[in-house]
Amino acid sequence: GNSVTQMEGPVTLSEEAFLTINCTYTATGYPSLFWYVQYPGEGLQLLLKATKADDKGSNKGFEATYRKETTSFHLEKGSVQVSDSAVYFCALRVGGSTLGRLYFGRGTQLTVWP
Amino acid sequence: DVKVTQSSRYLVKRTGEKVFLECVQDMDHENMFWYRQDPGLGLRLIYFSYDVKMKEKGDIPEGYSVSREKKERFSLILESASTNQTSMYLCASSFQLSVSNQPQHFGDGTRLSIL
Repeated sequence: GNSVTQMEGPVTLSEEAFLTINCTYTATGYPSLFWYVQYPGEGLQLLLKATKADDKGSNKGFEATYRKETTSFHLEKGSVQVSDSAVYFCALRVGGSTLGRLYFGRGTQLTVWP
Repeated sequence: DVKVTQSSRYLVKRTGEKVFLECVQDMDHENMFWYRQDPGLGLRLIYFSYDVKMKEKGDIPEGYSVSREKKERFSLILESASTNQTSMYLCASSFQLSVSNQPQHFGDGTRLSIL
């Protein structure tokens, strides 16, 4: 089936630290991969995406590379800021018979301290 | 920019009431989705719709129904609200199902409390 596993939080970092949030997946078919971010009190926003193997998605200093061989899509940022404190969700989407639904990981809470 | 609007940010209802959560999108998306979000459980899909009057059950449809009479509007209905339906409800929309790289766009959520 289709599923996403991401590292459990919470993750607590100091400002300017390096961030990695691990995400691995299983999929029937060839998925597109997404990272969403949810700031306190808000809905989810698309952070970045990758649609084929070896693609790198990037936005706001965050990056993730679609690794088909390891079925992974880890989120990284070289220097986090307090404003990055949020919940991060990894997700996949497979077209065709699944009717385009997204499969989400459980989310990782990130807190960045000044 | 895509706008997905949920009718209420906060809602308090009583057990046994029939509750309607409304969602409207302005991008002519074919697909619309309802999720609930609970701590430690992430997002769970309740129902989705890929066309007017069409609906599909998600992973946790029990106790819920949906209505899609117009393309831009997707309603979630709690037939007889119970305390275990206290949660954050998120609506999302996206372009057609056959294009797998299309992201979903989310509303800001409705925090529903059932007393």
